[in-house]
Amino acid sequence: EAGVTQFPSHSVIEKGQTVTLRCDPISGHDNLYWYRRVMGKEIKFLLHFVKESKQDESGMPNNRFLAERTGGTYSTLKVQPAELEDSGVYFCASSLLGQVSSEQYFGPGTRLTVT
Amino acid sequence: AQSVTQLDSQVPVFEEAPVELRCNYSSSVSVYLFWYVQYPNQGLQLLLKYLSGSTLVESINGFEAEFNKSQTSFHLRKPSVHISDTAEYFCAVSAPSGYSTLTFGKGTMLLVSP
Repeated sequence: EAGVTQFPSHSVIEKGQTVTLRCDPISGHDNLYWYRRVMGKEIKFLLHFVKESKQDESGMPNNRFLAERTGGTYSTLKVQPAELEDSGVYFCASSLLGQVSSEQYFGPGTRLTVT
Repeated sequence: AQSVTQLDSQVPVFEEAPVELRCNYSSSVSVYLFWYVQYPNQGLQLLLKYLSGSTLVESINGFEAEFNKSQTSFHLRKPSVHISDTAEYFCAVSAPSGYSTLTFGKGTMLLVSP
């Protein structure tokens, strides 16, 4: 069974540009989470989808970040325009719906560098 | 609100020595507790978790962690480490609800040398 995949693995962009990160969850996982780790700090929650609906987006830093989950399958996270402080590793995780504290399976992350 | 503290950013240890990675948490409600591990160039993997019941939980590769409610701790231990245990270890908590958003500590890099 394929795990959570993320694309690209690395992205280097200039300040002011746009970047779109993609996450493909494990098939059948209705929960999808985005997290971010800024260098030297903890991994922080960004938002949570249940199928195609945003369940919780309290961790989104500002309105330069837009997340979508088309048809409840893969998800994209767009940063527009990117700022220097957006640099970090963006993780995606997925889990089954309906199970208390269902294990979250993480992807390898996308390392974003804004110069 | 919940928070997790991992005081040690790096723990160097020799192969076959015991190790303890410390984790303390703060929460106004009961929590579930987790340890995740990230090997180089890989995603986070669940190492072990405490949801309820026995306060001592074990992983398949020899790690164990003990939930101590009075000390609000969930330290990770292994009696004898291997080179292959070199990785970054993250302690995390979640509220005991159906939507288990994780709150992580800053991580501890375990460096095992021969």
